[in-house]
Amino acid sequence: DAGITQSPRHKVTETGTPVTLRCHQTENHRYMYWYRQDPGHGLRLIHYSYGVKDTDKGEVSDGYSVSRSKTEDFLLTLESATSSQTSVYFCAISESQGSNQPQHFGDGTRLSIL
Amino acid sequence: GENVEQHPSTLSVQEGDSAVIKCTYSDSASNYFPWYKQELGKRPQLIIDIRSNVGEKKDQRIAVTLNKTAKHFSLHITETQPEDSAVYFCAASYSSASKIIFGSGTRLSIRP
Repeated sequence: DAGITQSPRHKVTETGTPVTLRCHQTENHRYMYWYRQDPGHGLRLIHYSYGVKDTDKGEVSDGYSVSRSKTEDFLLTLESATSSQTSVYFCAISESQGSNQPQHFGDGTRLSIL
Repeated sequence: GENVEQHPSTLSVQEGDSAVIKCTYSDSASNYFPWYKQELGKRPQLIIDIRSNVGEKKDQRIAVTLNKTAKHFSLHITETQPEDSAVYFCAASYSSASKIIFGSGTRLSIRP
């Protein structure tokens, strides 16, 4: 299994608070991704990174920001959490360009916004 | 925008029978098509993938076929077993960026 650790695994917080989720990898892969998973929607890309300090938006990026200050860590921040951001969040990594190489997923973070 | 359609959303088959899940994609430049299996409460796991230079790929009881002209691809599971029960996701590469687009998933149930 790919060395991917997501933290926390579960979090409950209140509307309007900032939340940061962490993805840590030990594979030295260049590409990292954040997805959210909701019933009926599959996996939707929030943001991704193609190198240290290099990030780009996905299809559902509004209300989220990311940072990658070193290869092994990719942080996802909900600037002011809303109930619509209640979801399961998955981090993924790939060795090279993700459009042509497998992505491997972490175990997910279940986030509830009350 | 780019889109991947997956059908059916739910599928129930008798143990030992075959299961087929179909996906269509919109980006004619897509060239990589992975399939993921997700068990309840677990992470998605890659089970097979195919690139556009081949039309079919097999791995034991699992096979994937690709028709680039029609822009559709399918997952075939033969001799289904109880442990095949899960949600299956197809995906297609998005030519203009380093990312893939996922289908909405198929919940496969194997009846004993």
